[in-house]
Amino acid sequence: RKEVEQDPGPFNVPEGATVAFNCTYSNSASQSFFWYRQDCRKEPKLLMSVYSSGNEDGRFTAQLNRASQYISLLIRDSKLSDSATYLCVVNHAGNMLTFGGGTRLMVKP
Amino acid sequence: ETGVTQSPTHLIKTRGQQVTLRCSSQSGHNTVSWYQQALGQGPQFIFQYYREEENGRGNFPPRFSGLQFPNYSSELNVNALELDDSALYLCASSPRGQPRDSPLHFGNGTRLTVT
Repeated sequence: RKEVEQDPGPFNVPEGATVAFNCTYSNSASQSFFWYRQDCRKEPKLLMSVYSSGNEDGRFTAQLNRASQYISLLIRDSKLSDSATYLCVVNHAGNMLTFGGGTRLMVKP
Repeated sequence: ETGVTQSPTHLIKTRGQQVTLRCSSQSGHNTVSWYQQALGQGPQFIFQYYREEENGRGNFPPRFSGLQFPNYSSELNVNALELDDSALYLCASSPRGQPRDSPLHFGNGTRLTVT
């Protein structure tokens, strides 16, 4: 079993749609959590950190459920420019990150 | 711009050869981490260097080795290249002791193709 699991997709959605990605992690000692965005053939870039209280950044909302070891990302009002791969990332020690395999999103006109 | 620079951008090698990839850390950052990202997968942690010593290692064989220099820059060396070593190699730097919820920021990566 992978330490961080994501549905690989692809999720094909029309512009303006709301889409949600989920991620589960296996290490209960994990300490911090992130969503990264990766465009084709580029490096991953931080989208947002994830906190138990939930956090929002514009159209993006992230949520962490430590009891269920579950992380989510909600994107509202999808834009064409949101098309990318979204990586769920967990840090359980010393900035040695564990990545999920990524979920691919394609937003269509 | 993250301030982390990697070279070269692209590289083509033949199976069995050796390769050295380079990473310059962001100013003030004394810890460097390397990741391998195969096509269609998420990045995987290779190792981390702090004070010129390996500080942690993922599930990679000994033919993956590294160095960190006094200026905190780093090299990743891979010996006896295999076709499966073809991947995007990512470097990230961070200050030692940064808060656990501080994210890593990556360089642009080196794309290695082994033929």
